[in-house]
Amino acid sequence: KQEVTQIPAALSVPEGENLVLNCSFTDSAIYNLQWFRQDPGKGLTSLLLIQSSQREQTSGRLNASLDKSSGRSTLYIAASQPGDSATYLCAVTGSARQLTFGSGTQLTVLP
Amino acid sequence: DAGVIQSPRHEVTEMGQEVTLRCKPISGHDYLFWYRQTMMRGLELLIYFNNNVPIDDSGMPEDRFSAKMPNASFSTLKIQPSEPRDSAVYFCASVLGVEETQYFGPGTRLLVL
Repeated sequence: KQEVTQIPAALSVPEGENLVLNCSFTDSAIYNLQWFRQDPGKGLTSLLLIQSSQREQTSGRLNASLDKSSGRSTLYIAASQPGDSATYLCAVTGSARQLTFGSGTQLTVLP
Repeated sequence: DAGVIQSPRHEVTEMGQEVTLRCKPISGHDYLFWYRQTMMRGLELLIYFNNNVPIDDSGMPEDRFSAKMPNASFSTLKIQPSEPRDSAVYFCASVLGVEETQYFGPGTRLLVL
């Protein structure tokens, strides 16, 4: 059974810092990996999707990498802003088309 | 497009009552997913449909839960009878093709007293 782990569970940084969120998964047979953002009381917004054949994806200040063989992904956020404060969720799509989520990293960017 | 639409946004009910959650996926999307989010268990997939056909319902917790998709633009998740442990946020998501980005609705916050 696929298990997805995210470290750290919570992170607090001052505005302007660069930061890295980590995601690991136990079964490397994945179709893709997605990073989502969830604001309190809201739904999920997809940030980046990396196909299993890709190594990284970039969108603005966000960069996500994927090392399928080691079962790891990182989300890099450059020049963090208070508006980046949210919970970031990593999810993998497995061979059975099932999306498995990590428990998330709660990010707080202090002004 | 208005995105994935869910109703109601909030539901408070008493134990034993029937609860029906509704979802309208993005037009043209051929996959629809129902998820449940709790503090204890995080986000869990309950069931998903492809072209209105249920593909995997292994995440449905009990027989009290049932889901239908009578057409490409509408799905329901029903809990009968409801119990306090069913209290959670229920999300619906849709996608065009499994390998593309899933789009989530705003969720339904269910509280069973």
